[in-house]
Amino acid sequence: AQSVTQLDSHVSVSEGTPVLLRCNYSSSYSPSLFWYVQHPNKGLQLLLKYTSAATLVKGINGFEAEFKKSETSFHLTKPSAHMSDAAEYFCVVSDMDSNYQLIWGAGTKLIIKP
Amino acid sequence: SAVISQKPSRDICQRGTSLTIQCQVDSQVTMMFWYRQQPGQSLTLIATANQGSEATYESGFVIDKFPISRPNLTFSTLTVSNMSPEDSSIYLCSATIGGRVSGANVLTFGAGSRLTVL
Repeated sequence: AQSVTQLDSHVSVSEGTPVLLRCNYSSSYSPSLFWYVQHPNKGLQLLLKYTSAATLVKGINGFEAEFKKSETSFHLTKPSAHMSDAAEYFCVVSDMDSNYQLIWGAGTKLIIKP
Repeated sequence: SAVISQKPSRDICQRGTSLTIQCQVDSQVTMMFWYRQQPGQSLTLIATANQGSEATYESGFVIDKFPISRPNLTFSTLTVSNMSPEDSSIYLCSATIGGRVSGANVLTFGAGSRLTVL
């Protein structure tokens, strides 16, 4: 069965420094992978998605993620953090094994220090 | 891009009462879903709202507790019945506005309805 592990429940970085949010998945098939962001008191927004095209996926707000099959990872990065990036980030996997239902990670809270 | 509106955005409810959450999409969508997000936790799928037929519930969720309606392709309601403090959560409506890619649903979400049950 597939699963998603977000390795850090909280990540704290200073404004202007790089962001790395880690995600590992398990999947028996070629998965689709997503990152969603949830700002306080707002709905979830799709940041980016991987669907077996280019392994480096660019999303909104300067975020990108790289699909590494050998490492079963889909880490989210951004070169320079901004205060507005403070939010909860969810890694999500979907494949045939789940009948294409979305399997959600536990979330990583990104804290930006001024 | 399409927008999903939910109401109420938040409410405080008494134990034993029921509350209906409304979800309106500004365009026709194939699939609509209801999720629950308990405090400090990730999302759990409650059910798929099927237009013109009974919703499809996930394990652990039943129609008597969470009746769902979907009378057309743009609107759905979720009722949380006979509430207890354990039902205090954010309830999120979502739809496949982004379509499906490689079989996976690309979801757009409403802002959520934050329920507190006393």
